[in-house]
Amino acid sequence: DSGVTQTPKHLITATGQRVTLRCSPRSGDLSVYWYQQSLDQGLQFLIQYYNGEERAKGNILERFSAQQFPDLHSELNLSSLELGDSALYFCASSLIAGVANEQFFGPGTRLTVL
Amino acid sequence: DQQVKQNSPSLSVQEGRISILNCDYTNSMFDYFLWYKKYPAEGPTFLISISSIKDKNEDGRFTVFLNKSAKHLSLHIVPSQPGDSAVYFCAVYTGNQFYFGTGTSLTVIP
Repeated sequence: DSGVTQTPKHLITATGQRVTLRCSPRSGDLSVYWYQQSLDQGLQFLIQYYNGEERAKGNILERFSAQQFPDLHSELNLSSLELGDSALYFCASSLIAGVANEQFFGPGTRLTVL
Repeated sequence: DQQVKQNSPSLSVQEGRISILNCDYTNSMFDYFLWYKKYPAEGPTFLISISSIKDKNEDGRFTVFLNKSAKHLSLHIVPSQPGDSAVYFCAVYTGNQFYFGTGTSLTVIP
């Protein structure tokens, strides 16, 4: 158990809908990262927050947005969903930013878009 | 466009033998490399890393080799154990960005 929690574990929705994925980092960690893992692709880095502020942006679509709240939990919002958005979405956390080997990953949320 | 490539989707090795997992990258400016291990229904777990100023880093049974001229990274596991059966991802960290490979599924046969 990494100490990072993600809810829900599974989500099934329809095209065009909007969903919110939630992540609670390990106690004391200030940085949160979001990743997408599609069926035939590796982990794609989406976005990073540090202490409430966006720190780095990867391959995140404009239909996706994220935020980190004062209590440090983070939400990833996915809108106008398409079939291709079906994937595993991972959240990771670290104490500080910029230290890649200290990321701790949650178990992921599996999103299925029908 | 894949910045990091793992060309072998799967690998099977006998228990006690060496497992060698390979990874190629595209940008010679990349300077920090990592390996993660992932079991089913769990998130990835950090395994070992190496910076571009070194060509080898060891941690117990795990050794990572970096060949900068070939833009090639490899992970050696010696001796392999059944508990090492998992998917292994190589990754690059550069400029606050992370690039992951597609993973190699390792099966260690008892």
